[in-house]
Amino acid sequence: GDSVTQMEGPVTLSEEAFLTINCTYTATGYPSLFWYVQYPGEGLQLLLKATKADDKGSNKGFEATYRKETTSFHLEKGSVQVSDSAVYFCALIFTWGYSTLTFGKGTMLLVSP
Amino acid sequence: ETGVTQSPTHLIKTRGQQVTLRCSSQSGHNTVSWYQQALGQGPQFIFQYYREEENGRGNFPPRFSGLQFPNYSSELNVNALELDDSALYLCASSLSGGLNDEQFFGPGTRLTVL
Repeated sequence: GDSVTQMEGPVTLSEEAFLTINCTYTATGYPSLFWYVQYPGEGLQLLLKATKADDKGSNKGFEATYRKETTSFHLEKGSVQVSDSAVYFCALIFTWGYSTLTFGKGTMLLVSP
Repeated sequence: ETGVTQSPTHLIKTRGQQVTLRCSSQSGHNTVSWYQQALGQGPQFIFQYYREEENGRGNFPPRFSGLQFPNYSSELNVNALELDDSALYLCASSLSGGLNDEQFFGPGTRLTVL
């Protein structure tokens, strides 16, 4: 079945450091891919998405490129801020006719001043 | 525009009891999905409702059931609670359930089963 694997956390960085959170997937067909962010005490928010191979999603300085050849969708940011501290989830859309998201386990990011 | 809201925020129950969680969809959205997020895990799909009909279901037993009302608000009911049901329950609404429709999540209900 469809699944998402992402790197385990926590990822601990200093402010202005470069961020990479790895995400790989297995899926039948060609899913749409997403990154969601969950701040403490809040629900999930869509951060960015890509719907086909080689698409790059971007938002708030975060980027991820849909790589079909490596089945990956790694999240990157050039310079993190303390306010980026949160849990990040990689997800794909289940392709069997209705729109259910399949999530990875999440990666906690902690950014210190 | 009002976002997705859920009630209650927190809930404590004991094994064997029944619980009802509520979700109010974003205005204009006719599709709602429910997810269970255990501690330290990603959300897992429970089921989806589209225009008051169940549209799909994940790998959860029948004691997890739901309803969607004409105003598109929704309920998740869990019978015969087990300790492993302790989790954050999230609902998400979308415009029409299409594959590329963004799902907007509520803040969740934290359920603790003792």
